[in-house]
Amino acid sequence: AQTVTQSQPEMSVQEAETVTLSCTYDTSESDYYLFWYKQPPSRQMILVIRQEAYKQQNATENRFSVNFQKAAKSFSLKISDSQLGDAAMYFCAQGAQKLVFGQGTRLTINP
Amino acid sequence: DAGVIQSPRHEVTEMGQEVTLRCKPISGHNSLFWYRQTMMRGLELLIYFNNNVPIDDSGMPEDRFSAKMPNASFSTLKIQPSEPRDSAVYFCASSLRGGRLAYEQYFGPGTRLTVT
Repeated sequence: AQTVTQSQPEMSVQEAETVTLSCTYDTSESDYYLFWYKQPPSRQMILVIRQEAYKQQNATENRFSVNFQKAAKSFSLKISDSQLGDAAMYFCAQGAQKLVFGQGTRLTINP
Repeated sequence: DAGVIQSPRHEVTEMGQEVTLRCKPISGHNSLFWYRQTMMRGLELLIYFNNNVPIDDSGMPEDRFSAKMPNASFSTLKIQPSEPRDSAVYFCASSLRGGRLAYEQYFGPGTRLTVT
């Protein structure tokens, strides 16, 4: 069975600093995707970044980057130069067709 | 481009009533997903369709829930009869399936359902 675990229910960071959100997963699939989604108070789910499991190179998207360790089944998200608008719930998700989501990490940005 | 459209955005109903949630996926997407989000259980997949065909409904909580996708541009999730424990935010998402993998899912704004 697929499982996704986010071990940090809450994180906080000073504006302009860097923060890393953790995610581990378990799957028997060999080919799949990993995603980070952001959910601000508006509750809209917004795709932040995507990683294909077959790619060794870590994905980056502007201030967002991932550290993908396939053997360890780890997929962390690094946010550089944190901004107030980054404050949200962040969900890690894994799957080939259907996605399994973690429980989320609430990120607070301190001005 | 229009994103995933859901209606209504908010629904308040009394226990025992029928509730129908609607979703219009992104044009050209061939996979559609219905999720439920609650504080206790997080984000759960209820059912998903590929090319309008239901593929996996193992997440549907019970027979009171049903979902249809009569064409590529419309899907419904129906709860009959509704119960207070069905109160949640229901999301619809769509994606483009390429081969065995489905690419990123794009979510609608959600429907907040309250059953009193």
